[in-house]
Amino acid sequence: QSALTQPASVSGSPGQSITISCTGTSSDIGSSNFVSWYQQHPGKVPKLIIYEVIQRASGVFDRFSGSKSGTTASLTISGLQAEDEADYYCCLSGGTRILFGGGTKLTVL
Amino acid sequence: QMQLQESGPGLVNPSETLSLTCTVSGGPIATYYWAWIRQPPGKGLEWIGYIHDSGTTRFNPSLQGRVALSMSSSKSQIFLRLRSVTAADTAIYHCARFPYADWLDPWGQGIQVTVPS
Repeated sequence: QSALTQPASVSGSPGQSITISCTGTSSDIGSSNFVSWYQQHPGKVPKLIIYEVIQRASGVFDRFSGSKSGTTASLTISGLQAEDEADYYCCLSGGTRILFGGGTKLTVL
Repeated sequence: QMQLQESGPGLVNPSETLSLTCTVSGGPIATYYWAWIRQPPGKGLEWIGYIHDSGTTRFNPSLQGRVALSMSSSKSQIFLRLRSVTAADTAIYHCARFPYADWLDPWGQGIQVTVPS
């Protein structure tokens, strides 16, 4: 069982917005700004999309945004497109470990 | 542009040691941390460990005692050794740059390692 909890799946229609949550505790997400998000298409390599909670990686569209409130980090994708269908993983680093969430499968209806 | 490439055997027998190499091109390796991550078939990402050429290493507690990392800055290579493997170690193994112990980017393409049951 992952220490970071993500919903197993989310879905949305093209053009809509969705949010993927990543819940931890006060001793991990609640006290760290080293939260990153990765997008992984089937059979492909994970790709960094968000780092340090809110920073977009180079070349990532501004439809992707990150945030954090308390012990929950979130990834929001606005204006959903078919190519956004993928698995998304949150990640917590800093300190002496790296933790991944269990992953969320995004389906674009 | 920095690129990472994993190499090693695709098949390792149970109880033996898995040895993988990550070769980095397009930039120096001495400045950064470097991580190994694996993904079992149909499952999520699992952190294995990370290393810095200062000698700092950290490992996933679930693998502590079985895993070792080393690196050669002169060869631009990072090495993973995982001993006493079982079928549960079957996964795609990725190396990734872990700059400033913050985010993971870029990633290598990954190498499929199978441990037969």
